[in-house]
Amino acid sequence: EDQVTQSPEALRLQEGESSSLNCSYTVSGLRGLFWYRQDPGKGPEFLFTLYSAGEEKEKERLKATLTKKESFLHITAPKPEDSATYLCAVGTGGGNKLTFGTGTQLKVEL
Amino acid sequence: DGGITQSPKYLFRKEGQNVTLSCEQNLNHDAMYWYRQDPGQGLRLIYYSQIVNDFQKGDIAEGYSVSREKKESFPLTVTSAQKNPTAFYLCASSQGAIGGGYEQYFGPGTRLTVT
Repeated sequence: EDQVTQSPEALRLQEGESSSLNCSYTVSGLRGLFWYRQDPGKGPEFLFTLYSAGEEKEKERLKATLTKKESFLHITAPKPEDSATYLCAVGTGGGNKLTFGTGTQLKVEL
Repeated sequence: DGGITQSPKYLFRKEGQNVTLSCEQNLNHDAMYWYRQDPGQGLRLIYYSQIVNDFQKGDIAEGYSVSREKKESFPLTVTSAQKNPTAFYLCASSQGAIGGGYEQYFGPGTRLTVT
């Protein structure tokens, strides 16, 4: 059974304090690892897709990396507007099915 | 602008009533999905459809039904058989397995409350 575990469950940072969120996974044939941002009461917003170990992608203050067992979402010099829940998901098998983790709730304070 | 719309944003129903949640996309995506989100749990897949007139059960399909008569539309019916229907429901779409495009794009969600 595919499993995705995200840590920490919650993270509080000061503005400018860089940190990383972790997503560890166990799957039978990875067909992509996906990061999403979700604001309260809204649908998840797609951020990145990573397909193979060693791959990295960046968007503004966010950088996602991938190894064979886990992915990290690095947040550099975060701002209060980066506060959200960050979701990780893995795609396996056919049918485009994704298995989601429970997310990391990030709060960035002034 | 291309995107996914879900309506209504909030929905209230009495126990024992069926209710249908709307999902429409104008992204020309082949595949569509329905998820349920509960506090402290990851998104759980209810049903998905890779092509018109075909759909498959996800991990928690009991008490739900869907149809896919048009490429753009994938309505979800929450039946009275669903034991815990109160939740946040999310619709998503993706280009489809053939030709790549695994990323799923989500609608704004419908919050259903059943009392």
